[in-house]
Amino acid sequence: EPEVTQTPSHQVTQMGQEVILRCVPISNHLYFYWYRQILGQKVEFLVSFYNNEISEKSEIFDDQFSVERPDGSNFTLKIRSTKLEDSAMYFCASSMTGGYTNYGYTFGSGTRLTVV
Amino acid sequence: SQQGEEDPQALSIQEGENATMNCSYKTSINNLQWYRQNSGRGLVHLILIRSNEREKHSGRLRVTLDTSKKSSSLLITASRAADTASYFCAKEPSYGKLTFGQGTILTVHP
Repeated sequence: EPEVTQTPSHQVTQMGQEVILRCVPISNHLYFYWYRQILGQKVEFLVSFYNNEISEKSEIFDDQFSVERPDGSNFTLKIRSTKLEDSAMYFCASSMTGGYTNYGYTFGSGTRLTVV
Repeated sequence: SQQGEEDPQALSIQEGENATMNCSYKTSINNLQWYRQNSGRGLVHLILIRSNEREKHSGRLRVTLDTSKKSSSLLITASRAADTASYFCAKEPSYGKLTFGQGTILTVHP
């Protein structure tokens, strides 16, 4: 069964450093998303991406965040200057039709980001 | 808040019993989805029910949706130890943007 692949599975970074979280969505999917889950809290929507541009973003997705699909297969989330409160599990998800079918969204296993 | 809220927060049952989890929401939705998360792992899509549907089945799963009460329930019949996980309802008020609830932690004892 096709999977969404995320790397690394765990990343530790110092406060103020830039991090890039990587995702390989399912190959024929057209819609891509990032979510995050702070430990013990709800899964929160960050951003959706379609046709090489952001479709929607949440209040959390401020200027320190950016997304990119650099080469047609990878989908990345960059955090420019990490803060302690950015520590969370970050999930990438993809969808063929953006919600217009019964299949929901396919999530990756996540990257656990720890900012120290 | 548009976020789905599940109850109970935790549910502990014996293998073979049925497990029922409920989800409530406050604003209109296009659809409501249920996801499962094993500890430390990703989210797995279980089932999607559209706003014009009232009930849906998938294997041992049964989902109902009552838009007048703004609530949904997930029933897992004949539970197994392998069903132990956290279960989340996620509303999709606009396509592509899921709003998750806090989740129900289900423990199925062998």
